[in-house]
Amino acid sequence: GQSLEQPSEVTAVEGAIVQINCTYQTSGFYGLSWYQQHDGGAPTFLSYNALDGLEETGRFSSFLSRSDSYGYLLLQELQMKDSASYFCAVRGAGSYQLTFGKGTKLSVIP
Amino acid sequence: DVKVTQSSRYLVKRTGEKVFLECVQDMDHENMFWYRQDPGLGLRLIYFSYDVKMKEKGDIPEGYSVSREKKERFSLILESASTNQTSMYLCASSPGTGGNGYTFGSGTRLTVV
Repeated sequence: GQSLEQPSEVTAVEGAIVQINCTYQTSGFYGLSWYQQHDGGAPTFLSYNALDGLEETGRFSSFLSRSDSYGYLLLQELQMKDSASYFCAVRGAGSYQLTFGKGTKLSVIP
Repeated sequence: DVKVTQSSRYLVKRTGEKVFLECVQDMDHENMFWYRQDPGLGLRLIYFSYDVKMKEKGDIPEGYSVSREKKERFSLILESASTNQTSMYLCASSPGTGGNGYTFGSGTRLTVV
């Protein structure tokens, strides 16, 4: 099976940079994904890493190290609207489905 | 705009009732999923389907069943609702074997009393 660990809560200041870490255990590995969910809303897809390294999409970047079974989501120039829960997710080899971490609640303060 | 639509946003049912949660996607996706989300537990997979009439158990299938008679529609059935099934239910879909970019519906908050 798969399991993921990520911090439950993170607080950061508007305009700053924050990193949300995720470690995983999985039998086989196809990639690490990140999702954002605002309170009362649906999760939305942010990024996907299949290979080691950094993927950048605007203010958000995601990193993967397959040898360390570790990844992170980096949010730059934080805005109040970035306050949300962030989930990492993995897909194991030969499977169609994602297993999600329990989520990190990010609070951006003025 | 592509969509996953869940038929009800809020639902209140009585213990023992049979409950149907409906999900429709308009993206011609092969894969569809049902998750439940509870505080502190994240998203847990109930059932998924990778093709019409195909279904696979997820991590917590007990007390649930599913139906996929058409590609665009995936139904979750609570055979006899219990209070521990009070939760937020999220439907999602994804294309082919690229099961990384899920599109989620807005969710159904089910309360069983």
